[in-house]
Amino acid sequence: QVQLVESGGGVVQPGGSLRLSCAASGFTFSSYGMHWVRQAPGKGLEWVAFIRYDGSNKYYADSVKGRFTISRDNSKNTLYLQMNSLRAEDTAVYYCAKDREGAALDYWGQGTLVTVSS
Amino acid sequence: DIQMTQSPSSLSASVGDRVTITCRASQSISRYLNWYQQKPGKAPKLLIYAASSLQSGVPSRFSGDGSGTDFTLTISSLQPEDFATYYCQQSYSTLYTFGQGTKLEIK
Repeated sequence: QVQLVESGGGVVQPGGSLRLSCAASGFTFSSYGMHWVRQAPGKGLEWVAFIRYDGSNKYYADSVKGRFTISRDNSKNTLYLQMNSLRAEDTAVYYCAKDREGAALDYWGQGTLVTVSS
Repeated sequence: DIQMTQSPSSLSASVGDRVTITCRASQSISRYLNWYQQKPGKAPKLLIYAASSLQSGVPSRFSGDGSGTDFTLTISSLQPEDFATYYCQQSYSTLYTFGQGTKLEIK
């Protein structure tokens, strides 16, 4: 069965950096695009970034462009999100999700909490 | 950017009711519209993709309709496990925006 497991969350000071990982199993990871989506405490879902199956194209929300970088290692079945210049408003649960094709997100991880606070 | 607006923001209903949630896009998105259900403390779950296609394993009481800018999610007969928050999401543009959510509560 499809499994997505995020890790790397934690508490970081404003201006700091953090790298999230998402370990995938149960499907051919190298054949599917992948997304990061976040949810601030008590708020709705916000799409963050998408990477095509082969890493050839990457797309970002305006709120994170220039600060966050999505990447993948298909040999390790792992998705990453490098987050730099973190701000308080980046505090959220970060989910990785598999693209079903047509950018419907059909499987999601359990999420990892990132807290940006001094 | 394409803005997605859901209505209502919250809704009270009873078990057995028929419920419809609306999602409107700020520009035409053809049928590139998906619906998700989220329960507290859990990850979202895909219900409907491409406006009206039912994701595998999702009960047939869920249905989606619409094209262009106006879309609906209908639950034909509410069950206790359906009380949750529902989100629409457009996949027409590569800025894949979500609606603000509709919280469905028990009356």
